[in-house]
Amino acid sequence: ETGVTQSPTHLIKTRGQQVTLRCSSQSGHNTVSWYQQALGQGPQFIFQYYREEENGRGNFPPRFSGLQFPNYSSELNVNALELDDSALYLCASSDTGLEQYFGPGTRLTVT
Amino acid sequence: ELKVEQNPLFLSMQEGKNYTIYCNYSTTSDRLYWYRQDPGKSLESLFVLLSNGAVKQEGRLMASLDTKARLSTLHITAAVHDLSATYFCAVPPRAGSYQLTFGKGTKLSVIP
Repeated sequence: ETGVTQSPTHLIKTRGQQVTLRCSSQSGHNTVSWYQQALGQGPQFIFQYYREEENGRGNFPPRFSGLQFPNYSSELNVNALELDDSALYLCASSDTGLEQYFGPGTRLTVT
Repeated sequence: ELKVEQNPLFLSMQEGKNYTIYCNYSTTSDRLYWYRQDPGKSLESLFVLLSNGAVKQEGRLMASLDTKARLSTLHITAAVHDLSATYFCAVPPRAGSYQLTFGKGTKLSVIP
């Protein structure tokens, strides 16, 4: 149990729709990262937030966006969903230490 | 661009046998992570290796790091069925970064 929660657990959306995924970090963890894991692949870094500012982004288009809030929660928003966006989305939080604590993930299916 | 390669990608082992998973990465980094993932589940942290020659052991798993060769190994001793899972190594692109680049994973099946 990492203390990181994500909602919803599963989600089914239609191509072209928009989706918001949520993550709640441990108190005091001011860095949150989001990863996309397609079936049978390793997680891919989407972006990272530190103290409510984006401070790193992977190779993902602008329709992937995020927010981090003062209460250690964060959101991942994806616009104009495509079939290839179907994946497990993981958030991970960290404090100033070395460890990242991963949440249980949200399984997104785009039909 | 940082690249992380694992091999093998698939590994079928008999219970009681030993085997090693390899992780190579392309650029200098200050640490390396090993994670375990069960089907449909999230990532469980196994080891964080910080320095050249670092070795960590937990139960039947032992991880080591050679920063000069940019190589880490995860050694499995006397495998048991409960070790069946997918194992990932991950490396940040620079010191202090949390932006991990993962390998493709090694799917381990331990058979009786």
